Amino acid sequence: NAGVTQTPKFQVLKTGQSMTLQCAQDMNHEYMSWYRQDPGMGLRLIHYSVGAGITDQGEVPNGYNVSRSTTEDFPLRLLSAAPSQTSVYFCASKGGGSGNQPQHFGDGTRLSIL
Amino acid sequence: AQSVAQPEDQVNVAEGNPLTVKCTYSVSGNPYLFWYVQYPNRGLQFLLKYITGDNLVKGSYGFEAEFNKSQTSFHLKKPSALVSDSALYFCAVRDSVNSGAGSYQLTFGKGTKLSVIP
Repeated sequence: NAGVTQTPKFQVLKTGQSMTLQCAQDMNHEYMSWYRQDPGMGLRLIHYSVGAGITDQGEVPNGYNVSRSTTEDFPLRLLSAAPSQTSVYFCASKGGGSGNQPQHFGDGTRLSIL
Repeated sequence: AQSVAQPEDQVNVAEGNPLTVKCTYSVSGNPYLFWYVQYPNRGLQFLLKYITGDNLVKGSYGFEAEFNKSQTSFHLKKPSALVSDSALYFCAVRDSVNSGAGSYQLTFGKGTKLSVIP
């Protein structure tokens, strides 16, 4: 059981480049989300999805796009990378039913924008 | 709106001593509270949660947390700290009054770095 898998683990981009961070889960979870983690700021929610075909914005959505074509995958797209997007990105998933189940996190993608 | 505060950026404790990592929260309804731990270069791992019932919740690795409604707190505790407990700890909250898609959203604290000194 792999849980939540994120690729790549590390990435360096130049300002203005675009890229997609991949996230896949094998637990048949309905809810998936993307966070960014910055020093002293905890985790901030970027986008989330409550099921295939349904996505919504979180706290810091600007500069990012998501889609959810399958239950398993929830990619995060940086449209035009900016230095302010240098961060560690975490994908998480959670089973449906109630909102009381814990989230399962991937190991993160460490992204540097030059 | 829901919010959570971890008032200490860092906590240092000697190995074998009890440890406490503090968390306070603010919600409109009833709180659903979680503690997660993050080891270097890893994602967050679930430790324990409070939904309802007994105010003392037991979790993984010998950790426990005490829910105090009057003080709106959910402090993480362990009777005897290990060097391997050194990590970053996050408290998170969800408000029971959230509905629809928003009912899934957690708000995380900024984290507390725990250092256990041999």
